[in-house]
Amino acid sequence: DQQVKQNSPSLSVQEGRISILNCDYTNSMFDYFLWYKKYPAEGPTFLISISSIKDKNEDGRFTVFLNKSAKHLSLHIVPSQPGDSAVYFCAASVTQFYFGTGTSLTVIP
Amino acid sequence: GAGVSQSPRYKVAKRGQDVALRCDPISGHVSLFWYQQALGQGPEFLTYFQNEAQLDKSGLPSDRFFAERPEGSVSTLKIQRTQQEDSAVYLCASSSGRGKNIQYFGAGTRLSVL
Repeated sequence: DQQVKQNSPSLSVQEGRISILNCDYTNSMFDYFLWYKKYPAEGPTFLISISSIKDKNEDGRFTVFLNKSAKHLSLHIVPSQPGDSAVYFCAASVTQFYFGTGTSLTVIP
Repeated sequence: GAGVSQSPRYKVAKRGQDVALRCDPISGHVSLFWYQQALGQGPEFLTYFQNEAQLDKSGLPSDRFFAERPEGSVSTLKIQRTQQEDSAVYLCASSSGRGKNIQYFGAGTRLSVL
């Protein structure tokens, strides 16, 4: 009964290109969404968030898009850099946070 | 310190042993969360404190798991009579407000039960 799903375990992208990470959710009551980035042996680090009253939020190279009708969330990284290589988790919340299983992004120099 | 601190970073326990995991949240953060992350999975919610009050413990997998935050700052997650399925990374997070706020995570404690 995974309420937040990241169906792509891994993604490889050339440096300078766009990385698109996807996330689907099942609970229409979720009203706050976040993306976290995780390096090995470290805790997740907050990247960007979006409230359900918006459909887009941008912070530098990172943009999160929310499609409520499709229950779909995506993170765009443009341009991708080798330092972006990490595992990315999306999370959704009504009260507590539910995390996806993560997508491992590799940016190839 | 500036961030969330967890100790120990690694813990090896024999099956049946009790363990205690410590979390030092960011100073002044009201809310504190514990998560369990199994290999290849995302963090799964265990329990939530607002100051010293444990407001949600719905994620604790059994009555062998117990968490406390007696003075509203440091928290301890205790696991009694550890089992192999308890092997995971235990993450602690804190946030500054009540309700929906960005959670800041510690590096976690990796528990291995042999």
